[in-house]
Parts: sequence; C-alpha cells; structure tokens
Amino acid sequence: SQTIHQWPATLVQPVGSPLSLECTVEGTSNPNLYWYRQAAGRGLQLLFYSVGIGQISSEVPQNLSASRPQDRQFILSSKKLLLSDSGFYLCAWSEGTGDGGNQPQHFGDGTRLSIL
Amino acid sequence: GESVGLHLPTLSVQEGDNSIINCAYSNSASDYFIWYKQESGKGPQFIIDIRSNMDKRQGQRVTVLLNKTVKHLSLQIAATQPGDSAVYFCAGIPYNQGGKLIFGQGTELSVKP
Repeated sequence: SQTIHQWPATLVQPVGSPLSLECTVEGTSNPNLYWYRQAAGRGLQLLFYSVGIGQISSEVPQNLSASRPQDRQFILSSKKLLLSDSGFYLCAWSEGTGDGGNQPQHFGDGTRLSIL
Repeated sequence: GESVGLHLPTLSVQEGDNSIINCAYSNSASDYFIWYKQESGKGPQFIIDIRSNMDKRQGQRVTVLLNKTVKHLSLQIAATQPGDSAVYFCAGIPYNQGGKLIFGQGTELSVKP
C-alpha cells in the first residue's frame, strides 16, 4: 500500500533562517506531488505541484521554493524565512495521470512551522 | 472563477444522530469532488469522492449527494460517533485544471455524548 511521510512534525525557526521540509512517498511510481499551507482559518492553499522529476509549478508568489530531485521525493525550501511563513505545511500525492486528472489526493500529517 | 465553500463553520450533533454537512460550488468547480476529514494535528484524510456524472455515492456510514442543478453537495454521516468529531472539508477539481484541488474552509463537527 502507498504511504506518505513528512518530517519534521514540528519546527521552530528564527526569522531569516533557511528552511528545508521533506516529503517522500512509498508504494507508487511517478506520483503527482503537492505542497499546501494551512493557516489557522482552516482552508488549504496550494503552493506547488509537480507531475514529474524536476517539474515544478508554483501557484502563488512567495518566499518559498520547491524541488523534486527524485521521483518520490518533494522538498519545500526557503533561503530566508519570514514571520508570515508560519503555518501548517502539508504534502500530498495523487496517482500520476500526466495532467493530474480526477484523482484523490492523499495527505501526510504535516509540519507545524513556527517562526520567531 | 472557481470556488468551493461550506455553509456552516461549526455543527454540533448528538451521538447516534445523523449529520449533514453542506457545500456549494461555483460554476467552474464542477468536475470532481472529494470530502476530507481532518483531526487535530493531522493531515486531511480522504473519506469519499464523487464525479460530476453521478448524483449519489455511498460508503461505510457516509453518503455524498451531488445536486448539479443548484451546485450543491452534501456529506451525510449515519449514526454519528464521537470519533467522527473533526473538521470536514469539501474540495473540487475544476474542469481542465490539471487535478488542482480547491478547498472549502471546513466545517467543525462536534459530537455530544
């Protein structure tokens, strides 16, 4: 069966420090991968998605970047964190159908990021 | 543009009663819909999905109804249990949007014993 792992579960970082959050998926090949941010108001905002290695689409302009160095690995990064980057970051995957298609997305358990 | 929204931010029901959580969507968010359950500190968990060519789909204790005429979908939970307490999200994939989910803001379901 497929599983998705995110780490760390919680992270406290000072303003201006770098960030690297990692997500890996097991039990599937060529998945579509996604990074979301969930603010305290509950809604999920799509940040990045990827349909293949090295292919990243950004949904909103921001202080973050994403990379996909391997088929089942998705990394969220920042060179200098801002206070506004605080939030709950979720990684998700879906079956790879090239364009995403109508497939459910399955989520990891998230990383709670606090910027001080 | 596309939008998906829930009608009520909170819902409180008695254990054993049926729960109904509602969601409305705009004209273009109309191809495929998913309901998620999110417990505190965890990621959203897939519950059930429905495609736009269907009106109803049933799972274990859950039913999703899709009314395309009024652009409305609902999640019905039968015999609600304390373990059902969570935030429930509807999400939709607009036509030709490459699988990008648009989420509603969520309804927090509280089950009273």
